[in-house]
Amino acid sequence: EDQVTQSPEALRLQEGESSSLNCSYTVSGLRGLFWYRQDPGKGPEFLFTLYSAGEEKEKERLKATLTKKESFLHITAPKPEDSATYLCAVRNFGNEKLTFGTGTRLTIIP
Amino acid sequence: EPEVTQTPSHQVTQMGQEVILRCVPISNHLYFYWYRQILGQKVEFLVSFYNNEISEKSEIFDDQFSVERPDGSNFTLKIRSTKLEDSAMYFCASSEQANSPLHFGNGTRLTVT
Repeated sequence: EDQVTQSPEALRLQEGESSSLNCSYTVSGLRGLFWYRQDPGKGPEFLFTLYSAGEEKEKERLKATLTKKESFLHITAPKPEDSATYLCAVRNFGNEKLTFGTGTRLTIIP
Repeated sequence: EPEVTQTPSHQVTQMGQEVILRCVPISNHLYFYWYRQILGQKVEFLVSFYNNEISEKSEIFDDQFSVERPDGSNFTLKIRSTKLEDSAMYFCASSEQANSPLHFGNGTRLTVT
């Protein structure tokens, strides 16, 4: 069974203080790893897809990386508007479903 | 930018009643999904739908649940006889291809009393 574990559960940073969120996964054959952002009361908003170890994707202050066991979401010089819950999900070969982690709730303090 | 739209945003129903949650996926997408999120818990997969049939479903998706694409634009989730434990946020999603990213709507909050 696919498993996704995210850490930390919650993270408070000062504006401009860079950090990383972790997503550890167990899957028999990784078809894709997905990062989403979720604001309160909203649906997950797609950020990145990573397909193979060593791959990296960047968007504004966010950078996602992937190894064979985990993915990191690096946040550089965050702003208050980056405050949200960040979700990681995996898809297995032979499945269509995404298996989600519980997320990291990120708060950026001005 | 195209988006997935869901209606209603909030539905309150009594235990044992039937509910239909509605979704309009992104127009050129071929794969459709329903997920749910119980308050404070993970987003959980319910069902995927492709080429007018269910392609995968979870253990949660039992005989009380059904999905339908009644026309070229709508995608619905029906719960025949709601239970208290069905209270959750239900998200519709769509994707262009089989391994493309899913794009989610903003959900329907279902409250069963």
